[in-house]
Amino acid sequence: AQSVSQHNHHVILSEAASLELGCNYSYGGTVNLFWYVQYPGQHLQLLLKYFSGDPLVKGIKGFEAEFIKSKFSFNLRKPSVQWSDTAEYFCAVSSYSSASKIIFGSGTRLSIRP
Amino acid sequence: DTGVSQDPRHKITKRGQNVTFRCDPISEHNRLYWYRQTLGQGPEFLTYFQNEAQLEKSRLLSDRFSAERPKGSFSTLEIQRTEQGDSAMYLCASSLGDDVNEKLFFGSGTQLSVL
Repeated sequence: AQSVSQHNHHVILSEAASLELGCNYSYGGTVNLFWYVQYPGQHLQLLLKYFSGDPLVKGIKGFEAEFIKSKFSFNLRKPSVQWSDTAEYFCAVSSYSSASKIIFGSGTRLSIRP
Repeated sequence: DTGVSQDPRHKITKRGQNVTFRCDPISEHNRLYWYRQTLGQGPEFLTYFQNEAQLEKSRLLSDRFSAERPKGSFSTLEIQRTEQGDSAMYLCASSLGDDVNEKLFFGSGTQLSVL
């Protein structure tokens, strides 16, 4: 069965620090990968996605993620975080053989100190 | 339409009662998903519709849970004989298209508390 692991449950950074949130998935077939973000008091929204092509994907608000197939990873990065990046971040995976089911990781809470 | 709407926002019920939630997806979105989220966890897949057809239901979902999307527009999720373990945020999401790489638009959720 598909699964997604996010090993960092809570990350605390100062403004301007660089960010990398880990995401590993367990599925050997062709996958689609997503990062969703939930800002305080708001609903989940898509940050970026990968389904084919360039493994380095750029999303909104300066975020990017790199798909490394050999490591089953899709880590999220941002070179310089802002206080407004405080949110919960969810990695998710789907596959063409999973009947459109999108599986989410348990999330990483990011707190930015101003 | 500005997004996915869910009603009610909060529901408090006593154990053993039935509850029903409603989701209105973005107009013309053909796919509709229900997820459940508990504190400290990511959304857990419950079921999914393409138009009016329910194409998949999680094996974790007991027979007390049923979902419908009768006209391929809004959807309802019913929980019969609620248990305290059903307390969670129930999220609805919709998407447009036939590929699993389409982005999901989420509603704000219905927070269920079973006393």
